[in-house]
Amino acid sequence: GQQLNQSPQSMFIQEGEDVSMNCTSSSIFNTWLWYKQDPGEGPVLLIALYKAGELTSNGRLTAQFGITRKDSFLNISASIPSDVGIYFCAGRPSGNTPLVFGKGTRLSVIA
Amino acid sequence: DAGITQSPRHKVTETGTPVTLRCHQTENHRYMYWYRQDPGHGLRLIHYSYGVKDTDKGEVSDGYSVSRSKTEDFLLTLESATSSQTSVYFCAISGALTSSYEQYFGPGTRLTVT
Repeated sequence: GQQLNQSPQSMFIQEGEDVSMNCTSSSIFNTWLWYKQDPGEGPVLLIALYKAGELTSNGRLTAQFGITRKDSFLNISASIPSDVGIYFCAGRPSGNTPLVFGKGTRLSVIA
Repeated sequence: DAGITQSPRHKVTETGTPVTLRCHQTENHRYMYWYRQDPGHGLRLIHYSYGVKDTDKGEVSDGYSVSRSKTEDFLLTLESATSSQTSVYFCAISGALTSSYEQYFGPGTRLTVT
C-alpha cells in the first residue's frame, strides 16, 4: 500500500529555534494534512493543504504542499515549550479516500 | 472542538470477551473512521464508513467489526478480544459540507486486554 516517509523521527531543539520536518511519498496526493498530538489526546488538525505549491500559515506554523504533489513540509518558527508533542503528516490520494499517515516526528523543546 | 465523543475512554477486559467501542458525532459528517495507535506503528486504519450502513475495511481489520445504523454513531466491536488488541483506539470524522476533506479525531479510548 501507499506509504509516507516522515522525517526526522525525533528532534531535540532549544526554545526559540525554528523547526522543519517533512513527508515524502512515491505516490501523488491531492490533500496534505498536518496534525499535532499531545500525550493522552487525539491528534489535532493544524493545517490542511489542497493545491500543489500552496503555502499556508497558522500562527507560527507554516506548511507547504510540494509542487510534485509527492511531498509536504511543516515549519515551526521560534519554538516554545508547548510545541512539544508528536507531529503527523497525512496524505489523501483522492476525494475522500482514507488518509495515509506518516509515523510522526516527536518534538522536544529544551528551555 | 469537532463534536466527537468516544466511550468508554478507558476499558480493561479479559481475553475472549466481546468489547464494543462507541463513537458519536454531532457534526453530521458523512465519513467516520476507526484507527488504532501503537508504538512504532503510528495510526493504522481498522474500518471506515462512508454513509449509514456503508462500511469498508482498512489495513488492520481482522478481528474487528463495525456498524453504523445512524449518521451520528459508529460502533467498533471486538468479537473476542485478544492481548494483541490492547491499544489506543481513535475515531475520526470527515466530509462536512464546508470542510469536506479535513479529518478530525476524537479523544481516544485506551483498551487493555488482560
